Amino acid sequence: EDQVTQSPEALRLQEGESSSLNCSYTVSGLRGLFWYRQDPGKGPEFLFTLYSAGEEKEKERLKATLTKKESFLHITAPKPEDSATYLCAVQAGRDFNKFYFGSGTKLNVKP
Amino acid sequence: DTAVSQTPKYLVTQMGNDKSIKCEQNLGHDTMYWYKQDSKKFLKIMFSYNNKELIINETVPNRFSPKSPDKAHLNLHINSLELGDSAVYFCASSPLAGLAKNIQYFGAGTRLSVL
Repeated sequence: EDQVTQSPEALRLQEGESSSLNCSYTVSGLRGLFWYRQDPGKGPEFLFTLYSAGEEKEKERLKATLTKKESFLHITAPKPEDSATYLCAVQAGRDFNKFYFGSGTKLNVKP
Repeated sequence: DTAVSQTPKYLVTQMGNDKSIKCEQNLGHDTMYWYKQDSKKFLKIMFSYNNKELIINETVPNRFSPKSPDKAHLNLHINSLELGDSAVYFCASSPLAGLAKNIQYFGAGTRLSVL
């Protein structure tokens, strides 16, 4: 069965303390891996898409990487405004409209 | 100007009632989705429509019936509400059906509480 697992469930960091979030997947025929940010009371907001192992994408303090079995979201010198839940989703198989989401990592950055 | 808008934001109702959630997107996208987010934050796809045609229909009780009057609107009607239907329901849209670069844009969600 296709599955997406994110770890840790929750992460507390001090401002400036870098860390990484993990998204591991067991799917057949990965088409794309997506990272989203979700703030409380809001819908997920797109961050990155990765398509092949070895690919990397960066945006401000965030950097996403992809291997054949997992993706990492690296957060460098985080700020309190980076606090949110980060979700990953995979698009796999022949159905391009079907996405499998993980349960997210809730990040809390303290000033 | 909100890209994907859902109404209502909150919905509190009794078991057995019938309710509807509406979704509209002004992005010109062809594909729209309904997701359910449970208490553990898992987002599970329920339905997807491409240009008013149903293309994904996951294992969802037939009490849930989506309707797409045009490609900018996707509504969700729920009959005979049950306690287990309590969740946050998200509508989303994406520009490219049938292609890998299918970024989804989400609404703010509708929090349904069944008492």
